Amino acid sequence: EVQLVESGGGLVQPGGSLRLSCATSGFTFSSYEMNWVRQAPGKGLEWISQISSGGNIIYYADPVKGRFTISRDNAKSSLYLQMNSLRAEDTALYYCARSYCTGASCYRDSWGQGTLVTVSS
Amino acid sequence: QSVLTQSPSMSAAPGQKVTISCSGTSSNIGSHYVSWYQQLPGTAPKVLIYDNNKRPSGIPDRFSGSKSGTSATLGITGLQTGDEADYYCGVWDSSLSAWVFGGGTKLTVL
Repeated sequence: EVQLVESGGGLVQPGGSLRLSCATSGFTFSSYEMNWVRQAPGKGLEWISQISSGGNIIYYADPVKGRFTISRDNAKSSLYLQMNSLRAEDTALYYCARSYCTGASCYRDSWGQGTLVTVSS
Repeated sequence: QSVLTQSPSMSAAPGQKVTISCSGTSSNIGSHYVSWYQQLPGTAPKVLIYDNNKRPSGIPDRFSGSKSGTSATLGITGLQTGDEADYYCGVWDSSLSAWVFGGGTKLTVL
């Protein structure tokens, strides 16, 4: 069974930093592209970053470029998100999601339960 | 403001059919495959449709997807109260080099 378990969320002051982790099991982590997606309270889904299976191709959404860094450790089957210069608008539930790629496209087929990040003074 | 446009809310009676639309541009829906996600209250999203019209195993055939030009549609037939959820379209955007979600449609089954 595919499992994704996020951790590392919490309360942080504006301007602070936080590192999220996503521990995975039940699949060959090193073969899959991975994502971070967030959801602000009462709002919709917002994709924020994606990393290729080998870690060499990375994309970010504009709101987090230059502040967030996605990374992975294939030996530990884990995904990370380093978040710096946090702002109130970064307050959200952060999901780790796996990409499943068919011959035509990649879609987000497995999701964790999320870890809550609250940015407030 | 989402790159993909969805109606914020819809409602229908049990047993009826609904269609949820997702409007984009040539750089996203017009040139890439669309997937659809269901988010039940308090839970993580779940994929319903991928590659415009394919269903993952375990998804009932009451759910269907289609695409025409720069718009995509999710259809749900035989509505059940358990279908009350938020529904999101998602697709890669070549101009942004980013994955984008629609703003979501809240479906109420009355």
